[in-house]
Amino acid sequence: EVQLLESGGVLVQPGGSLRLSCAASGFTFGNCGMTWVRQAPGKGLEWVSAISAGGERTYYADSVKGRFTISRDNSKNTLYLQMNSLSAEDTALYYCAKELSFRGPLDSWGQGTLVTVSS
Amino acid sequence: EIVLTQSPATLSLSPGERATLSCRASQSVSNFLAWYQQKPGQTPRLLMYNASNRATGFPARFSGSGSGTDFTLTISSLEPEDFAIYYCQQRYDSWTFGQGTKVEIK
Repeated sequence: EVQLLESGGVLVQPGGSLRLSCAASGFTFGNCGMTWVRQAPGKGLEWVSAISAGGERTYYADSVKGRFTISRDNSKNTLYLQMNSLSAEDTALYYCAKELSFRGPLDSWGQGTLVTVSS
Repeated sequence: EIVLTQSPATLSLSPGERATLSCRASQSVSNFLAWYQQKPGQTPRLLMYNASNRATGFPARFSGSGSGTDFTLTISSLEPEDFAIYYCQQRYDSWTFGQGTKVEIK
């Protein structure tokens, strides 16, 4: 059974930094592209960032480019999202999700970790 | 950036009725279009991929169609568990989600 378990979400002050983690199990992590998707309270889904299976290629939404860095450690089956220069607009539930295939849909999602940016 | 526009924003229907949800792309996404179902307090769940392929666990009353810029998700006869928010998402160029359509009980 595929499992994705996010962690690292906390209350952080504006301008602060945070690193989210997503521990994966139940599939061959190193074979799958991974993404981060966020959902602000009461709002829709917003794609944040993605990384190729081997980690060579990374992609970012314009809203986070230059502030967030996605990475992965295939030896630890873990996905990361380093978040810097946080603002209130980054407050959201952050999901990690697994791609079914290259350019495929997101077929498995974690339960999410809540990031709150507030003074 | 490819923009996905979903309509209507809210669909008020009764159990047993047919639901038709639309997703329009600002440019062609071929068939790299997926649909997700999200119930309150729950994680999004893949419902349909490549525009018309039903994901595991969803019954045949769910169907998807379209290619290029216009896509439709149809629920032939609504069951109580189908009332939820539905999002479309493209993977043709980067990743984009639509703003969602809420299917609510009338």
